[in-house]
Amino acid sequence: DAGVIQSPRHEVTEMGQEVTLRCKPISGHDYLFWYRQTMMRGLELLIYFNNNVPIDDSGMPEDRFSAKMPNASFSTLKIQPSEPRDSAVYFCASSDLQDNYGYTFGSGTRLTVV
Amino acid sequence: AQSVTQPDIHITVSEGASLELRCNYSYGATPYLFWYVQSPGQGLQLLLKYFSGDTLVQGIKGFEAEFKRSQSSFNLRKPSVHWSDAAEYFCAVGPVTSGTYKYIFGTGTRLKVLA
Repeated sequence: DAGVIQSPRHEVTEMGQEVTLRCKPISGHDYLFWYRQTMMRGLELLIYFNNNVPIDDSGMPEDRFSAKMPNASFSTLKIQPSEPRDSAVYFCASSDLQDNYGYTFGSGTRLTVV
Repeated sequence: AQSVTQPDIHITVSEGASLELRCNYSYGATPYLFWYVQSPGQGLQLLLKYFSGDTLVQGIKGFEAEFKRSQSSFNLRKPSVHWSDAAEYFCAVGPVTSGTYKYIFGTGTRLKVLA
């Protein structure tokens, strides 16, 4: 398996623009997580899905953030409109019971909003 | 409240020296505990995990960790550090809610290895 695949690896956008981050989880994993990592706040769980259904989105900072999982092999995290304070590294991770609750992380998307 | 603390923000060791990274947690029951490693520009990689049973857990890359219930700790150890171990290490505890996959991550310990 190629692991958790995220795209793009880097994104630079202007304030006010819409940004879409993409994630392909490991095949067969039925949990998918979106995390944000910043120097100030560390790793924050934004939202997670089970079998494509959002289970907990309490970490989504504002209505500007939205996440979808239309099928088992694809998820998106969208920010509209983007703001400079959204600059961070966004990680997607997936997991299943066979993995004994450990996560497999993607390489992340470094987002810079100018 | 559930929490995890990594008291050391930075640690520097010489190559070949032993290593211990500290992790303390607050949790109502026996938690699931994890250590992850993050190399620059990369995602987090699972090193090892503890659920139950033997309190000394072996992981990848020669790492081990010991669960000590009385001290609420899950410290990561390696007997001889290699230059390639330079990275950031995260401890995680949970689940936050029983039956979920929601975990709390520590703030990380950045390891520097001197040649």
